[in-house]
Amino acid sequence: NAGVTQTPKFQVLKTGQSMTLQCAQDMNHNSMYWYRQDPGMGLRLIYYSASEGTTDKGEVPNGYNVSRLNKREFSLRLESAAPSQTSVYFCASNPGAGANVLTFGAGSRLTVL
Amino acid sequence: GIQVEQSPPDLILQEGANSTLRCNFSDSVNNLQWFHQNPWGQLINLFYIPSGTKQNGRLSATTVATERYSLLYISSSQTTDSGVYFCAVGYAQGGKLIFGQGTELSVKP
Repeated sequence: NAGVTQTPKFQVLKTGQSMTLQCAQDMNHNSMYWYRQDPGMGLRLIYYSASEGTTDKGEVPNGYNVSRLNKREFSLRLESAAPSQTSVYFCASNPGAGANVLTFGAGSRLTVL
Repeated sequence: GIQVEQSPPDLILQEGANSTLRCNFSDSVNNLQWFHQNPWGQLINLFYIPSGTKQNGRLSATTVATERYSLLYISSSQTTDSGVYFCAVGYAQGGKLIFGQGTELSVKP
């Protein structure tokens, strides 16, 4: 049982380049999330999708876009990467309303030069 | 928005010691979870505990929702307990969680 799978695990970009982080879960969860983790700042919510077909902004959405492609997949796109987006990105999922235990992927380390 | 404060920010223990980690939050919540991030970065859910007390082996947690705090107890600590412990709270539909800044625990042999 793979749980939550993120790709890529590591990526180096130059300022202005674009990229997409992929996330897939095989637990039939309804809700999916993207967080970023910076030193000393805990995890901050970027975007989330409460259910297939819906997406909402979190605490720090600027500079990002998301797509809930289907129930399994939730991607995060950086259209024009900036050094401030250097971070570790985590995807997570949970079953949805009433059963909210969060399961995380292994993380994606992104460096923007 | 809701504020989440964890204390202490870091903690060093000898193997076998006990510890208590605290999480204060500024508003009513309907979801509170504790996570452990190991030294390799993996985040593991420890407890889903919006109220009451739960125990899992050497770990236990108590949330007093009316007083807006939660405690995580680690007994007989082991070196494998090292890492960062996060408290996260939620108060809206969809399970959205806001994280505290964590407590970094180091257990020495």
